[in-house]
Amino acid sequence: DTGVSQNPRHKITKRGQNVTFRCDPISEHNRLYWYRQTLGQGPEFLTYFQNEAQLEKSRLLSDRFSAERPKGSFSTLEIQRTEQGDSAMYLCASSLADRETGELFFGEGSRLTVL
Amino acid sequence: GDSVTQMEGPVTLSEEAFLTINCTYTATGYPSLFWYVQYPGEGLQLLLKATKADDKGSNKGFEATYRKETTSFHLEKGSVQVSDSAVYFCALMDSSYKLIFGSGTRLLVRP
Repeated sequence: DTGVSQNPRHKITKRGQNVTFRCDPISEHNRLYWYRQTLGQGPEFLTYFQNEAQLEKSRLLSDRFSAERPKGSFSTLEIQRTEQGDSAMYLCASSLADRETGELFFGEGSRLTVL
Repeated sequence: GDSVTQMEGPVTLSEEAFLTINCTYTATGYPSLFWYVQYPGEGLQLLLKATKADDKGSNKGFEATYRKETTSFHLEKGSVQVSDSAVYFCALMDSSYKLIFGSGTRLLVRP
C-alpha cells in the first residue's frame, strides 16, 4: 500500500516534553498538509507545503509548533514544551495541487496524549 | 473567512431508512465541495465531491448536489446499512487548495 504513512501512531508524553511526528506522503504528491482533530470536532488546518516550501500556517499554530518538509519529501511536525491542550489527533494529508481533482489523501493520524 | 456548517449528530437510523445530513457553506467564489467519511479506527477517506454548481457527486449509494442558490451540499442515501455507521464530514476547498471541514456528523445505523 502506498498511501500516506504517519509515525508514531500513538505518543504519550509528559507536559513540557518535546514530540515529533513524521509523515510520508504519496510519492508523486507535491502538497502536504497537517491538520489537528480533537474529539467530536472536524479536522482543523495547521499548515501546508508545496514541495519544500511552507506556504501557509494557521493562527492555531503557535510558536511551539514547527513543521518542515526537507527536499519536498517526508514532513515532520514538532511540538515543543507540550501542554495538555495539545492532546489531539494529528493528521497528515497529501495531494496534487489541482483544484478540480485535488482530493486530499489522509493518513491514519498520530494520536498525542499529554499527561 | 470560508466556513462549513453541518447538522449536529448523532443521527440514529434503522437499517434501510433514508438518510439526509445537512451541510451549508460560506465562501467567496464557488469552491469545490466534498464529503469525507471516517469509519471507526480508520483514517478520513473521500466519499464524494462536486466541483461546480448543480454537479451531483455520488458513491456507494450516497449522493450530494452542489446548490449555489442555497449554498448547500446535503448528503443523502436512500437506504442505509449498518456498515454505513461512521462520522461524515462536509468540506470545501478554498482558494489556496486547503480543505475546510465542518464539525462532523456521527451516523449510527441499527439492524
